[in-house]
Parts: sequence; structure tokens; C-alpha cells
Amino acid sequence: QSVLTQPPSASGTPGQRVTISCSGSSSNIGSNVVSWHQQVPGTAPKLLIFNDNQRPSGVTDRFSGSKSGTAASLAISGLQSEDEAEYFCAAWDDSLEGIWVFGGGTKLTVL
Amino acid sequence: QVQLQESGPGLVRPSQTLSLICTVSGGFTTSGNPYWNWIRQPAGKALEWIGRVYPSGYTNYNPSLKSRVTMSIDTSKNRFSLNLTSVTAADTGVYYCARGTYVVDPWGPGILVTVSS
Repeated sequence: QSVLTQPPSASGTPGQRVTISCSGSSSNIGSNVVSWHQQVPGTAPKLLIFNDNQRPSGVTDRFSGSKSGTAASLAISGLQSEDEAEYFCAAWDDSLEGIWVFGGGTKLTVL
Repeated sequence: QVQLQESGPGLVRPSQTLSLICTVSGGFTTSGNPYWNWIRQPAGKALEWIGRVYPSGYTNYNPSLKSRVTMSIDTSKNRFSLNLTSVTAADTGVYYCARGTYVVDPWGPGILVTVSS
């Protein structure tokens, strides 16, 4: 069971906009920045969003992030077949000595 | 550009010690005051942060694993390591190394470690 809660699956058709949610608490999302990562099996996770809503250079602007309180969201617009992957959120948690916590991952299917 | 690669045995016997190395290419740059993480993912389960090591050798670990974990770093060889003692089947999974600052990135591709007799 993950500290950050994500829906296990999401889907959309090409061209659609899809949103993936990530719910946490005051000790993680509520007080620290959120990042989003794309994971294709057998490869290294790829950073899509950092600091809640910033994109690294080279990441398409079809990906956007937002945060409100203890919840964050990743939006993917203009859905493409190559977007089919697993997506997970991450945040630092201030509990005890501090740890990184992650969402359980959302499998995105492009129909 | 920093790249990471995990290495080590893919099979560990129960009660033995799991030992992995992460080799960093691109160097242990001090820009952004980075530290180096180990993260794992049991099959079908969420990612779990194991701990981190700074270039100074300072470490801190996930309390749930603290009693069994040791991390170290060798900046001269651009690598850091993980030792996890007294493993059981519950320690089976994909183990990742990754750089940390205000974000965990980049990551290595991961290495599957199976605990089985």
C-alpha cells in the first residue's frame, strides 16, 4: 500500500485529455513539491514534472502538473499512442527523519 | 549528463545479504548538493524508498528497513552501494538507484533481485 494514492488505471483515445490524480497528506504533498515520472517496463523512470508544475527541458508541453492542498494532478493533452505507460507521483515526506514517498502508479492505456 | 546503472547478483538465498552497486557516469557533481538513493519495487507493489547516502558518507534510511540496511559511497570510483541483510522472499523486487536533490532524478534502469533457495 503506497503513501500517495493514485488510481490504478486510466484510459483515453488519441487526441483526448487525461488527468491522473495523486492524493497525499500534510506531511508530504501538503508541505513539499511533487514530481511526476513516466515508467516503461524495463527502462529507467523518466521525469516529466518537478516542483509541482515545471517541465524539464525536452519534455513536451502536452504534460502539465498542478497541486492544491494535499492533492496533485498530472494532465496529458493531445493523447498519443506513445503515452501508454505507467505514471507515478513522488514527494518528500517530513515524517520522522524524512523519506521519499511514491504513488502506487497509474497504468495509462491509449484506446 | 548523469547516468546510473545498477549491478549485482540477480539471485540471493534467504537469510543472506543482498549487495548491489550503482555506478554513476557523468560524475558525482556537487551542483545542487545531490545525494544518492536506493529505491525498490516488489512485483505488483508500490515503490519503496530504502535510503540515501551523501558524498560525505552521511546516510539516512527508511525506518522500516533501517535495522537491515547499510549504504556506502566511493566517490573516487563514482559508485555507491547497498547492503540488505537477512533477506526473505519479501525483499524480492526491482531495485533502482537514483540521484536526489529536490527531486529524484535520474534513475537507473533497475535490477531484478529474487530471493529464493
